[in-house]
Amino acid sequence: GAGVSQSPSNKVTEKGKDVELRCDPISGHTALYWYRQRLGQGLEFLIYFQGNSAPDKSGLPSDRFSAERTGESVSTLTIQRTQQEDSAVYLCASSSSGSRSDEQFFGPGTRLTVL
Amino acid sequence: GENVEQHPSTLSVQEGDSAVIKCTYSDSASNYFPWYKQELGKGPQLIIDIRSNVGEKKDQRIAVTLNKTAKHFSLHITETQPEDSAVYFCAANRPGNKLTFGGGTRVLVKP
Repeated sequence: GAGVSQSPSNKVTEKGKDVELRCDPISGHTALYWYRQRLGQGLEFLIYFQGNSAPDKSGLPSDRFSAERTGESVSTLTIQRTQQEDSAVYLCASSSSGSRSDEQFFGPGTRLTVL
Repeated sequence: GENVEQHPSTLSVQEGDSAVIKCTYSDSASNYFPWYKQELGKGPQLIIDIRSNVGEKKDQRIAVTLNKTAKHFSLHITETQPEDSAVYFCAANRPGNKLTFGGGTRVLVKP
């Protein structure tokens, strides 16, 4: 079947505006992760969803960042009052069960540019 | 928490030569070490992984070694080809079903 998809692929916004990024995981995958990748840098963990458990929000950099997931399906990452330092590629990944050694499958990312 | 260091940050090799990327980790409880390849404009893709119960794993031109005592693991690419040019990331798992990634290595294979 299809892999992880993300939309939009690119988003340009003005400082202070809110943005919403979407992730569609692989069907049947119970675990979903959001990462941030700044230009030329590694992946920075943001948030993790596993089934119906409370999400692990330990990587969210500020209270302007939030995410939701509908059951074991679509997830949205929302950034409120965007700042220029929020400019990055936001990657979503899913895995089949979220165990410590499950492969994470990544989407193509959303490139966010805050002017 | 877990810290993963990756070296070098850039690596230029001649086609046909070998490339080696090294990572160290800090959490002795980590037991899963994947390597991802990221091509321009795409998300990372798993190329090989190793679990702590083995010291080496090979898949065609790619091999990974793990030294649990020293807490380091390495990626070896032999007979490099231009299509191996990409950014490579190592990672180590940590409590809470999460991965900590290294900073990445940009590999350029010159024809």
